[in-house]
Amino acid sequence: QVQLQESGPGLVKPSDTLSLTCTVSGGSIISYYWTWIRQPPGKGLEWVGNIYYTGSTDYNPSLKSRVTISVDTSKNLFSLKVKSVTAADTAVYYCARVSGPLDPWGQGSLVTVSS
Amino acid sequence: QPVLTQPPSVSGAPGQWVTISCTGSNSNLGAAYTVHWYQQFPGTAPKLLIHDNDNRPSGVPDRFSGSKSGTSASLAITGLQAEDEADYYCQSYDSSLSGYVFGTGTKVTVL
Repeated sequence: QVQLQESGPGLVKPSDTLSLTCTVSGGSIISYYWTWIRQPPGKGLEWVGNIYYTGSTDYNPSLKSRVTISVDTSKNLFSLKVKSVTAADTAVYYCARVSGPLDPWGQGSLVTVSS
Repeated sequence: QPVLTQPPSVSGAPGQWVTISCTGSNSNLGAAYTVHWYQQFPGTAPKLLIHDNDNRPSGVPDRFSGSKSGTSASLAITGLQAEDEADYYCQSYDSSLSGYVFGTGTKVTVL
């Protein structure tokens, strides 16, 4: 079955760029939408943005000016970049496949913004 | 920013029936977008529990059920078990956001 795995640095300095990759295994990235969701410690879930395998994107308006999501179909992965991060961007970042509902999800990657 | 409102917590004794409400607006649940429910245990990723209002994925016990009417949805757990103690989130699409919106989350405690 399809599995997703997030990877990237766990610590990012304030004002720097957060970068994460989601590698898809057990299935093709083709013909699906893919999404990033984040969850600050002890808080709820927040949608970050989506990407279609063609590269078409949608972003949460509250983050749109700082977020870029890209896809690499040759490597079966998609990526997230958040620029100019602050402590408010500290969260567990999840990637997931959009199949109507969001399913499956990756295990999550904790990113802490701190100097 | 649009949000789906859930009660912060619900509790019940083993074997009891509990429900979790999810209240939206005309730009999400009221616009006929379907609702999905996720179960999350501490330190783990959310897992799909109910999709498209009232459908259980394979492997989800039939004590979990979902419903939707107008701008609201509900998740019911009948015959509550200790292993049901977790956080639960509803989720839908929002036309004003042009993206996904989540519920505020509900912690279920088994007494």
